Amino acid sequence: AAGVIQSPRHLIKEKRETATLKCYPIPRHDTVYWYQQGPGQDPQFLISFYEKMQSDKGSIPDRFSAQQFSDYHSELNMSSLELGDSALYFCASSDRDSSYEQYFGPGTRLTVT
Amino acid sequence: GQSLEQPSEVTAVEGAIVQINCTYQTSGFYGLSWYQQHDGGAPTFLSYNALDGLEETGRFSSFLSRSDSYGYLLLQELQMKDSASYFCAVSVYSGGYQKVTFGTGTKLQVIP
Repeated sequence: AAGVIQSPRHLIKEKRETATLKCYPIPRHDTVYWYQQGPGQDPQFLISFYEKMQSDKGSIPDRFSAQQFSDYHSELNMSSLELGDSALYFCASSDRDSSYEQYFGPGTRLTVT
Repeated sequence: GQSLEQPSEVTAVEGAIVQINCTYQTSGFYGLSWYQQHDGGAPTFLSYNALDGLEETGRFSSFLSRSDSYGYLLLQELQMKDSASYFCAVSVYSGGYQKVTFGTGTKLQVIP
């Protein structure tokens, strides 16, 4: 069965650079979520989209933005990167009415140097 | 807002049974989910309870008591591969959407 696809899997950036993470949800899933997980920490919810509209917002820094496109894929844009942004970024997808059952992608490991 | 509490760490012996508890405080409660995450891996969905009672899926069972705002994940016949972090997550309805908040996770260590 198709799973959530994230790209790239690994990304190394320098401070103050920008990064774009991509997420391709499971086919027919209309909701996408983004999470940030620092070393030894639990996943922190950043933002979610349903049918291209933002449905919920968590602890997403103002330097970050995200959107969902007409084909339901989503991109997380991160600017003015800081060392503290180094983390594993997960994308998850679900059906709108089954958000309790989210399917996570493998994650993008971002390292800021 | 929502708040969830679960133990930070639990150690259990291979072949034994372990219970991971989760208490929550929230409005608009809809259900309780459980996820498993191995180190360096992605969280994977284990179970969901919307109604009171026990849901069984193989060696794993999940229980919910809505009146007590409490649930637990029960793992039987523990195997070494069960060593992972386990997250409870509450679902609530807010603003027309079903929203999920994850707990801080319980790190389960299975020892021989």
